[in-house]
This record gives sequence, C-alpha cells and structure tokens, in this order.
Amino acid sequence: EAGVAQSPRYKIIEKRQSVAFWCNPISGHATLYWYQQILGQGPKLLIQFQNNGVVDDSQLPKDRFSAERLKGVDSTLKIQPAKLEDSAVYLCASSGMAVEAFFGQGTRLTVV
Amino acid sequence: SQELEQSPQSLIVQEGKNLTINCTSSKTLYGLYWYKQKYGEGLIFLMMLQKGGEEKSHEKITAKLDEKKQQSSLHITASQPSHAGIYLCGADYGGSQGNLIFGKGTKLSVKP
Repeated sequence: EAGVAQSPRYKIIEKRQSVAFWCNPISGHATLYWYQQILGQGPKLLIQFQNNGVVDDSQLPKDRFSAERLKGVDSTLKIQPAKLEDSAVYLCASSGMAVEAFFGQGTRLTVV
Repeated sequence: SQELEQSPQSLIVQEGKNLTINCTSSKTLYGLYWYKQKYGEGLIFLMMLQKGGEEKSHEKITAKLDEKKQQSSLHITASQPSHAGIYLCGADYGGSQGNLIFGKGTKLSVKP
C-alpha cells in the first residue's frame, strides 16, 4: 500500500513569510498527526485529527500555526508568519485500526 | 525536565557487536513504542510494548518493558551497517490514541 505522502520535501523561506505543507495519509486511516522535529530532538506533536475533527492541538502555537483536514483525508499545516525557531522537520503521520502510526518522509523547513 | 530520557545519546559500534539502548520514563507508561529514523527520512515503526515484563523481537532487534513499566531497553544482536540510524522511543501516557511523547533519540553508527 502507498505510504504517507508529504510535500514539499524541502522549503527555505525568510522570516515573516508564510509557508504551507501538505500531507496525504494512508488510505482509510482516520487519524492524522502533525509533528515538529527540531534538530537533535525527538518529534513533538503539534496537532492530531480524528477524521476531520481536532483531537488535540494543545501544543500548536495558534498565533502563527494553523492546520486543517478537509473531508477527513488530506491535511495542510500553515505557518504565518514564520520565525527563525520554526526551522525544523515537519512530519505527518497517520494511523488506522492498528495502534502504531506510519510516518511520511517529512518536510525540512529552513527559516533564514 | 524531560519526561522520557534515552541513553546513550550516541553510540558507535563495530559491525558484529551487540548493543543496548535504554529509555527511561519519569511517569508510568501505558505503552512504549520504538521507532527508527534515518537522516532526512520519516520514522519507521519497530515495536510496541504494553505489558510489564513484555518482550518482543523482530529479526535481530529485541525490546523489553520492565515490570514496573517505567523503562524499556532495545537490544541489537550482531549489529550490521543497516542498523545505523536514530532510534527513538515514544511514550503513551494515556492521552488520545497515538499521542506519543518522544525521547531525543540515540544515534547509532556501525563501523564495517
């Protein structure tokens, strides 16, 4: 089966600019996650969706980050405006009936 | 303070040698997940442990969860260059399904 697809793979932007990431989960997976992984750290959950509803967004910096999952399938994560400390890899993951999550390859964001 | 501590932070071993990576939680675990990450890529699920005393194996990798459910170890037998990467443990503390707290990871290098 196809895995979790993310795009773009890499993005370089200047601070205060906006950026958006896209994720297509594994077909049939109801749960979708966005994680932020700063260099040298483990991934940190930003937001979790169950179908098109938000389950947990307690660690999402809502003043600049937003995410949506229209129709319970694809999802986009947006940062507006970006700060230098937002430089990280943004990982999307999905899970279905099984407990474990399957991860995409991530989008590496560099803010200069 | 970090809820989940991994040790060592990095490890260099000669091909064919055995090694162990530890993951210690400051709180009782509902479940413990092990993932592997190669540079620039997403996370690959290895194993999940839920019961105290549980032990699981996959090829040459064995993971255990201690009786008190606050520590896990990952053991690799006869290491190979293909085992190189970053090993991450993720803790389920009873939040929403799939909501994991990750450690900082252990970087493993295997010298041929």
